[in-house]
Amino acid sequence: KAGVTQTPRYLIKTRGQQVTLSCSPISGHRSVSWYQQTPGQGLQFLFEYFSETQRNKGNFPGRFSGRQFSNSRSEMNVSTLELGDSALYLCASSLVGRLAYEQYFGPGTRLTVT
Amino acid sequence: QKEVEQDPGPLSVPEGAIVSLNCTYSNSAFQYFMWYRQYSRKGPELLMYTYSSGNKEDGRFTAQVDKSSKYISLFIRDSQPSDSATYLCAMVGGTSYGKLTFGQGTILTVHP
Repeated sequence: KAGVTQTPRYLIKTRGQQVTLSCSPISGHRSVSWYQQTPGQGLQFLFEYFSETQRNKGNFPGRFSGRQFSNSRSEMNVSTLELGDSALYLCASSLVGRLAYEQYFGPGTRLTVT
Repeated sequence: QKEVEQDPGPLSVPEGAIVSLNCTYSNSAFQYFMWYRQYSRKGPELLMYTYSSGNKEDGRFTAQVDKSSKYISLFIRDSQPSDSATYLCAMVGGTSYGKLTFGQGTILTVHP
């Protein structure tokens, strides 16, 4: 079974631009969570989608948004990029509905904002 | 204070040693406890998960959870150079759908 895939793997953007990242979960997984990983803050939760609905959201500004499609694929968008948004963005999928604790991660998208 | 505390190390051990990795937490609502391994430039890989208190063994890996002390551990027996990676503890519970709360990660190096 194929794992979680994320595209693109690397991205360089300038301040003020916006970016859209894509995630395809493991086949059959309906929960998708997004995380930001930085050396200083570690892994921080952005949001989680289940059956096209956002069930949980982390403490990030409204510039960070996401959505999930009927095939469980998910996208996240960051508008008005800031230098501090440079990070590894990880997507994880889970088969389990409630709590979605058994999460499998993709390789991540490394975003650099200049 | 962070909800989950993990010593970032780094931790360096000789091949064959027993490695002990630990996390403490403050949120009593946490019910599931996970350990992930992350190699450089890769996404985290789920090693094990445990529900509530108790032990769980998988090959050379043993996970322990003590909810009364809010303390979890991962033991690696007969460590190998291929175990060199960052180990992250993660937890979830209550109404935190899909929200894993991670420790900072411990960098482990196993030298031949």
